[in-house]
Amino acid sequence: ILNVEQSPQSLHVQEGDSTNFTCSFPSSNFYALHWYRWETAKSPEALFVMTLNGDEKKKGRISATLNTKEGYSYLYIKGSQPEDSATYLCAFPLDTGRRALTFGSGTRLQVQP
Amino acid sequence: NAGVTQTPKFRVLKTGQSMTLLCAQDMNHEYMYWYRQDPGMGLRLIHYSVGEGTTAKGEVPDGYNVSRLKKQNFLLGLESAAPSQTSVYFCASSQRPTGNYGYTFGSGTRLTVV
Repeated sequence: ILNVEQSPQSLHVQEGDSTNFTCSFPSSNFYALHWYRWETAKSPEALFVMTLNGDEKKKGRISATLNTKEGYSYLYIKGSQPEDSATYLCAFPLDTGRRALTFGSGTRLQVQP
Repeated sequence: NAGVTQTPKFRVLKTGQSMTLLCAQDMNHEYMYWYRQDPGMGLRLIHYSVGEGTTAKGEVPDGYNVSRLKKQNFLLGLESAAPSQTSVYFCASSQRPTGNYGYTFGSGTRLTVV
């Protein structure tokens, strides 16, 4: 992996369903992995910044795990609600100076009531 | 707290016109960034700054210039706008290098070049 890749591109679930998506990133020279939530017509908001292999972070019904050795992170949403509908972005400092984030193209989640 | 403020929010330019987008932050952040967002492309880094008086090129810098004369402000200039620069522009700031601190984003500027 030479870039930041997210899958799936989009997801439609029913209210109450649990769901998860994947972010893949270069496994060498790991520094940090960021997750952002981006609602339509708003700006992205930081969810998690993950720095340690095996890290697990939680915010309400949303949690994330990190595997730096194999270069992936999972974002889980338990019991999805319509207000969870958003695009979820992951980002990784790809530049050699680790001064700026490179963003994946996102997973767009739509939760149907 | 205002956070990160972008002006203007919307603008329509004719090809060849110039304009400046202003980003202002009140959090005393060292790092500031300009990204553009295009359908299917995600956020792409245009330019960034690691402190007052410094700027650096990102992934897609061509056709843009930037300045950071004051710590709280980061300006993005288009000298001669082209239709390919039609996009939504986001400014962001960060307290320290991106390892442990997330970005705070502005609300975006929607620019159309006709």
